Amino acid sequence: DADVTQTPRNRITKTGKRIMLECSQTKGHDRMYWYRQDPGLGLQLIYYSFDVKDINKGEISDGYSVSRQAQAKFSLSLESAIPNQTALYFCATSDPQGLNEQFFGPGTRLTVL
Amino acid sequence: LAKTTQPISMDSYEGQEVNITCSHNNIATNDYITWYQQFPSQGPRFIIQGYKTKVTNEVASLFIPADRKSSTLSLPRVSLSDTAVYYCLVGDPFIGGQNFVFGPGTRLSVLP
Repeated sequence: DADVTQTPRNRITKTGKRIMLECSQTKGHDRMYWYRQDPGLGLQLIYYSFDVKDINKGEISDGYSVSRQAQAKFSLSLESAIPNQTALYFCATSDPQGLNEQFFGPGTRLTVL
Repeated sequence: LAKTTQPISMDSYEGQEVNITCSHNNIATNDYITWYQQFPSQGPRFIIQGYKTKVTNEVASLFIPADRKSSTLSLPRVSLSDTAVYYCLVGDPFIGGQNFVFGPGTRLSVLP
């Protein structure tokens, strides 16, 4: 089984709809992240969490919200989706006790029409 | 945040050694240099991390000069499967969060 899973893997929705992307991990890591990637570009950090009660904004948090329900789960919500939120979304985890390398999920491809 | 600059793209042939250089002139004392690899439609994967001098693992080597203002990722004898985007990140891994920024990376194409 994969250590970091994301659901759904693909989603097509319409402008104005509320969307939730879910991330689960079995690595036991405290730190979790949400990124978006637009075609041909690098990854932009949306939100990150260092613990269950910790939520921090990244560089592009506007239009997004997150929930850290448990150590293993970190959800990303788009309250009212818009077309320029069409992108590939990645969840990642890391363990600061080691090299703090990030382990990424398989990604969710979101299309907003 | 330490800004990094790396080539947008590089071409190589199978069996050659590939060196990708990253510039980070304003690297801070507590910053480490980390490289990730990303295949199309997959999440990035950690390759190597270093602070100074040279680090080697089973996948790559990382060369960091004494002034730490640049670093070079070296991939020995590349194969077609090494075609990917390579990201250089500079930051304090123990702070994390926005301390690490994924720029556009270097798109490496390995040709037969």
